[in-house]
Amino acid sequence: TQLLEQSPQFLSIQEGENLTVYCNSSSVFSSLQWYRQEPGEGPVLLVTVVTGGEVKKLKRLTSQFGDARKDSSLHITAAQPGDTGLYLCAGASNAGGTSYGKLTFGQGTILTVHP
Amino acid sequence: DTEVTQTPKHLVMGMTNKKSLKCEQHMGHRAMYWYKQKAKKPPELMFVYSYEKLSINESVPSRFSPECPNSSLLNLHLHALQPEDSALYLCASSPKEGRARGYYGYTFGSGTRLTVV
Repeated sequence: TQLLEQSPQFLSIQEGENLTVYCNSSSVFSSLQWYRQEPGEGPVLLVTVVTGGEVKKLKRLTSQFGDARKDSSLHITAAQPGDTGLYLCAGASNAGGTSYGKLTFGQGTILTVHP
Repeated sequence: DTEVTQTPKHLVMGMTNKKSLKCEQHMGHRAMYWYKQKAKKPPELMFVYSYEKLSINESVPSRFSPECPNSSLLNLHLHALQPEDSALYLCASSPKEGRARGYYGYTFGSGTRLTVV
């Protein structure tokens, strides 16, 4: 069974601060995806990293994939109240010898950004 | 069209009822998924369909019955559910099977909030 350990579980910060969320596993993933989910809505894909050591920047988001493709981080600069939500990391892997990807989710980080 | 559309958004059903959840996408994605999510927990995979064929069933009870009538539609038929089945049911799709799928990420619908009474 593949597990993704995500930390921290909760994060409460002021507007304008920076933050980093981490995901770690003993398993290798073909890619690592970060999602944000608001209450009552489905997760929305933020960024996908694919190559070991990859660093991907999208506006205020920076995601890094570990060299061994077992861990990842998501860094947000200058947080805004609109960033509030549940952040989920998800590792993609081939499921049991089939050719179909299967997402393993971390437990999530509940982020609150105060004005 | 870059969305996954799920209906209904909310559903309340009794334990003896039969109901269906519907999911639709027109992005040409050939893999579609059902996930179940409890409050403040990550989504849990239930079923994976690829090219309209069921490829993964994560030991889901038979009171949940998936169906993929064509490449754009995915249904989840519900019968004799229990109160503990109350959750947010999410449908997702992805563009490719195989290792390349992870490169693109998944598109999730907004979910159906199911309450079993």
